Amino acid sequence: SAVISQKPSRDICQRGTSLTIQCQVDSQVTMMFWYRQQPGQSLTLIATANQGSEATYESGFVIDKFPISRPNLTFSTLTVSNMSPEDSSIYLCSVVFGTSSTDTQYFGPGTRLTVL
Amino acid sequence: QKEVEQNSGPLSVPEGAIASLNCTYSDRGSQSFFWYRQYSGKSPELIMFIYSNGDKEDGRFTAQLNKASQYVSLLIRDSQPSDSATYLCAVLPMNSGGYQKVTFGIGTKLQVIP
Repeated sequence: SAVISQKPSRDICQRGTSLTIQCQVDSQVTMMFWYRQQPGQSLTLIATANQGSEATYESGFVIDKFPISRPNLTFSTLTVSNMSPEDSSIYLCSVVFGTSSTDTQYFGPGTRLTVL
Repeated sequence: QKEVEQNSGPLSVPEGAIASLNCTYSDRGSQSFFWYRQYSGKSPELIMFIYSNGDKEDGRFTAQLNKASQYVSLLIRDSQPSDSATYLCAVLPMNSGGYQKVTFGIGTKLQVIP
């Protein structure tokens, strides 16, 4: 399986600031996703990162708050903008390598964000 | 109604016993079903997937799918303390648009008692 890395692994930020999280895969992937996992909660999909075009956001998430880039098939960034303590969470990127309904998602190690 | 429902637990089983983890889903047309294991502070890792009715076995793990009852389960035989983790059920709905946008349940926390 491929190696998925995320930077930073964790950060503590002040409210009102922004943080950009990077996701790098060592091989080309079909799909890249960004999730949020708040304490005691399951995974919530933020958006699908589309290569060369605007991301597709899920209900409740907007581009101004979570701008996403995906310049190529192995790299994506998620920015958490104008942060508040409610944004404290683990942010995970995930990738899919195929297009079949049985192709699975593989997750990066996550970025643990604390907003003060 | 939640799309994917799991009992959050914790489910406690003695070492060596069979752990049974259950998941129900609301979209009758769902295509594929996945079980992920997530250790505390770690990211989810895939255990197995199933897409046909019946049982699928992989080592100590057996996934069971009953589409008529909209029910999928994971059995862990000979449970070990190292199996203690949260188990996430994920379902690929019929209207996913081909984008592998699975829906995750909240996860069941399993505790295997030595």
